[in-house]
Amino acid sequence: KQEVTQIPAALSVPEGENLVLNCSFTDSAIYNLQWFRQDPGKGLTSLLLIQSSQREQTSGRLNASLDKSSGRSTLYIAASQPGDSATYLCAVRPYTGNQFYFGTGTSLTVIP
Amino acid sequence: DADVTQTPRNRITKTGKRIMLECSQTKGHDRMYWYRQDPGLGLRLIYYSFDVKDINKGEISDGYSVSRQAQAKFSLSLESAIPNQTALYFCATSDSAMGRGGGYTFGSGTRLTVV
Repeated sequence: KQEVTQIPAALSVPEGENLVLNCSFTDSAIYNLQWFRQDPGKGLTSLLLIQSSQREQTSGRLNASLDKSSGRSTLYIAASQPGDSATYLCAVRPYTGNQFYFGTGTSLTVIP
Repeated sequence: DADVTQTPRNRITKTGKRIMLECSQTKGHDRMYWYRQDPGLGLRLIYYSFDVKDINKGEISDGYSVSRQAQAKFSLSLESAIPNQTALYFCATSDSAMGRGGGYTFGSGTRLTVV
């Protein structure tokens, strides 16, 4: 079974800092990886979807990279803002089966 | 309006009661999923459906049932609620036209408390 790990579980940074969130997965046989944002008590908002054939995806201040062979993805957030405070989840879709496997998330706090 | 709508948003129910959570979507996606989220455990798949006549169990289906009433509607039932079913429940959709390269769209969730 695919296992997805996100470290650290929580991160606090001052406003304006660039930061990196990490996601690792145990089985490199994946179709894609998706990063989500979750605000407290709310649903998941898709941020970026990276196909297995891609190395990175960018959207605004966000850049996600994928190294399938090493089982790792990173989400880079540039010039962090207090509005970026949320929990960030990654999910991988393996070749076999019909579901995504989720990490437990990194809770980010950006201090004004 | 949201692409994926879940009702109710919050629900408190008593042990032993039957409860239904509903999900409807305007994305036109054919695939729908129910997940639950517990602190420290991440999201876990309960049931999924690839079309109206297709229902499949996920990794934690015991104590739950589902109904796909139409392509746009997928409901989750707890036949006899128990306290350890207290969780945040999410409905999600995806598009088979995207193949396995497609991603998920999530609803806003239903917070269920069983007392």
